[in-house]
Amino acid sequence: QKEVEQDPGPLSVPEGAIVSLNCTYSNSAFQYFMWYRQYSRKGPELLMYTYSSGNKEDGRFTAQVDKSSKYISLFIRDSQPSDSATYLCAMSARGAQKLVFGQGTRLTINP
Amino acid sequence: DSGVTQTPKHLITATGQRVTLRCSPRSGDLSVYWYQQSLDQGLQFLIQYYNGEERAKGNILERFSAQQFPDLHSELNLSSLELGDSALYFCASSPSIGGVYQETQYFGPGTRLLVL
Repeated sequence: QKEVEQDPGPLSVPEGAIVSLNCTYSNSAFQYFMWYRQYSRKGPELLMYTYSSGNKEDGRFTAQVDKSSKYISLFIRDSQPSDSATYLCAMSARGAQKLVFGQGTRLTINP
Repeated sequence: DSGVTQTPKHLITATGQRVTLRCSPRSGDLSVYWYQQSLDQGLQFLIQYYNGEERAKGNILERFSAQQFPDLHSELNLSSLELGDSALYFCASSPSIGGVYQETQYFGPGTRLLVL
């Protein structure tokens, strides 16, 4: 079993819809949670960073962490065609020096 | 643009050969990480350096090695290449505050390696 599970999709939604992306994990030592966006043939771009449990909002993006359920989410409001990309969740434990990534969810926003 | 640079962008080589991938971290970042991304394995951590010293190792093959130089740029050396080494190789860097590196990592554009 992988430490981080993420549905690879693909996920296709109409423009303007609310998108929900999720990851589950098994390692209770994870405390730092990140979401990256990766366009085709490009490097991952850091979108959101959350420490421990709770919510964080940045513009149209909201990240949620539920450590009790070992479940993290990324919500995208008012989705745009430019949001079409692969979204990767990543997490690490304190002092671990490495990120553990989910497989990534491929998202397409249809105009 | 994350501020992390990688060269070359593309590399095509033959089995058995050796290649060197180069990375320059963001200005001021002391930590450099190397990752491999393949279709079946996703993004996998290879190795981390902090201010010239190796700090953590992941599933890095013995045929692979890395180092970080005094100017903080890093090189990943891949030798005795096999077809299965074809992948995207990413470098990332992270900032340090008070000598403690932060968890947020910023990725470069990657080097696409094709072994024929």
